[in-house]
Amino acid sequence: AQSVTQLGSHVSVSEGALVLLRCNYSSSVPPYLFWYVQYPNQGLQLLLKYTSAATLVKGINGFEAEFKKSETSFHLTKPSAHMSDAAEYFCAVRGDNNNDMRFGAGTRLTVKP
Amino acid sequence: EAGVTQFPSHSVIEKGQTVTLRCDPISGHDNLYWYRRVMGKEIKFLLHFVKESKQDESGMPNNRFLAERTGGTYSTLKVQPAELEDSGVYFCASSRSLTSTDTQYFGPGTRLTVL
Repeated sequence: AQSVTQLGSHVSVSEGALVLLRCNYSSSVPPYLFWYVQYPNQGLQLLLKYTSAATLVKGINGFEAEFKKSETSFHLTKPSAHMSDAAEYFCAVRGDNNNDMRFGAGTRLTVKP
Repeated sequence: EAGVTQFPSHSVIEKGQTVTLRCDPISGHDNLYWYRRVMGKEIKFLLHFVKESKQDESGMPNNRFLAERTGGTYSTLKVQPAELEDSGVYFCASSRSLTSTDTQYFGPGTRLTVL
């Protein structure tokens, strides 16, 4: 069965520092992976998705993620954090029957001035 | 293009009462999904509509939950009677097609508190 695990429920970085949010997946078939972000009082917004076309995926707001099959990982990175990046981030994998998304528990990112 | 909308944004009810949540998907999206996030836990799938038909309702917790999508447009999720453990944020999402790579667009959620 498809699943994802996000390591770290809370991550805190200084403004301008590297952002690294970790996600590992478990899948019996080639996975389709997604990162969503939820800003306060808003819905989930798609940051980027991996669809097997390229292992390095670039998303919105300067975020990118690299699919590493050998490590079963799909970590989200951004070279330089901005205060506006403070939000909760969710890694997700498309479910077995394509009907649903399987989400990680979420990582709340705090950006310190 | 309007996004997925949900109503109400917040609902506070007492145990035993009934609550109905509404979701309006993006126009033209045949697929509509309901998810729930209980505090501190992951977002979990509840069910999936294709137009007005239930494609998969394997995530529905029990028979106190009833989802409908009359006419294949908006959907409602009724909880009757509500219990304390039903508290959480209920998200709705929609997508145009059923391909594995198709994006699901999420609404802002309805925060349900059962006292």
